Amino acid sequence: EDQVTQSPEALRLQEGESSSLNCSYTVSGLRGLFWYRQDPGKGPEFLFTLYSAGEEKEKERLKATLTKKESFLHITAPKPEDSATYLCAVQSLHAGNNRKLIWGLGTSLAVNP
Amino acid sequence: DADVTQTPRNRITKTGKRIMLECSQTKGHDRMYWYRQDPGLGLRLIYYSFDVKDINKGEISDGYSVSRQAQAKFSLSLESAIPNQTALYFCATRRTGSEDTQYFGPGTRLTVL
Repeated sequence: EDQVTQSPEALRLQEGESSSLNCSYTVSGLRGLFWYRQDPGKGPEFLFTLYSAGEEKEKERLKATLTKKESFLHITAPKPEDSATYLCAVQSLHAGNNRKLIWGLGTSLAVNP
Repeated sequence: DADVTQTPRNRITKTGKRIMLECSQTKGHDRMYWYRQDPGLGLRLIYYSFDVKDINKGEISDGYSVSRQAQAKFSLSLESAIPNQTALYFCATRRTGSEDTQYFGPGTRLTVL
């Protein structure tokens, strides 16, 4: 069964303290892995798509990497405005025409000033 | 202006009432989705539509119906609301042939008493 597990569930950092969020996945052939950011009471906001092992993408203080079993979202020198829930989703090569996404439960990140 | 809008943003209703949630988009995307989000369960797909003539059930469609009035409009109805339909509802859009990235609206918080 296709599955996505994110860890930790919650993470509290001091401003400037770098860390990584993990997204482990089990899928019958990966078509794509997606990272989203969600602020409280708002819709998920797209961050990155990764397609193959070894791929990396960066945006400001965020860097996403992908292996055959997991993805990491590295946060370098975070600021309080990086506080949010970070969601990971995967899409199987065998998802069919609907291109269904399988979502993780997210990591809630709090960055203290 | 937001690319994907949802109305209402908040709604409180009573058990047995019929409720309609509306979604409009100016992104020009052909594919539209309805999700619900619950704590501990993550995002779950209710219905999706590839165009005005193509409506498909997602993983949790029981108790819901949808209407694709135009390419830009996709409505979700709860025919007879029940308390366990209390959740955060999101509309999302995607363009066929794109990177499979879905873009989310701001959400509707629905409470069924």
